[in-house]
Amino acid sequence: GENVEQHPSTLSVQEGDSAVIKCTYSDSASNYFPWYKQELGKRPQLIIDIRSNVGEKKDQRIAVTLNKTAKHFSLHITETQPEDSAVYFCAASKVTGANNLFFGTGTRLTVIP
Amino acid sequence: DAMVIQNPRYQVTQFGKPVTLSCSQTLNHNVMYWYQQKSSQAPKLLFHYYDKDFNNEADTPDNFQSRRPNTSFCFLDIRSPGLGDAAMYLCATSRDRNSPYEQYFGPGTRLTVT
Repeated sequence: GENVEQHPSTLSVQEGDSAVIKCTYSDSASNYFPWYKQELGKRPQLIIDIRSNVGEKKDQRIAVTLNKTAKHFSLHITETQPEDSAVYFCAASKVTGANNLFFGTGTRLTVIP
Repeated sequence: DAMVIQNPRYQVTQFGKPVTLSCSQTLNHNVMYWYQQKSSQAPKLLFHYYDKDFNNEADTPDNFQSRRPNTSFCFLDIRSPGLGDAAMYLCATSRDRNSPYEQYFGPGTRLTVT
């Protein structure tokens, strides 16, 4: 099955700085990679996703890059704000089949005002 | 405009006493998932329904069962809860499978086992 590793487990940055979270996956058949943000006690919410036919995707301050050859993908948050503080999960999925998400272990991001 | 609703939000049960958690959705999605999330860990998929087709993950304990009586509702039954089953249980839905559709999560039910 799929195994997704995520680093770092915790990350503290100063407000305004950038944050980068990295994930690797094991199953070369995975082709969909969403990122979820989970605030304390709340549901995971999709913030951005990327499909295997795309190398990079950007949405305002958030960007995701994918390197299929190396089987890794990364989340980049620029100009961080205190409200970006949360746990971020990467995930991998195969288009064919059940669309099951295999999650990374999460990164707790703290943005220091 | 709630999309995925879980009840109750907090559930306390006794060791060995069966408990049922419920999930409903207003999205008319074909797929419904149940995840278990323990403190400071990633959500772990227990099983999913594609329409009425039940799909169990290989490592989901037999203690966990599910029912989906109709498109809108899905239940998680824990037959004999142990202390290790204390966790947040998340329900999610997806429009379909065989395509990378977004999964929409409910707010979760936090289960405490005493």
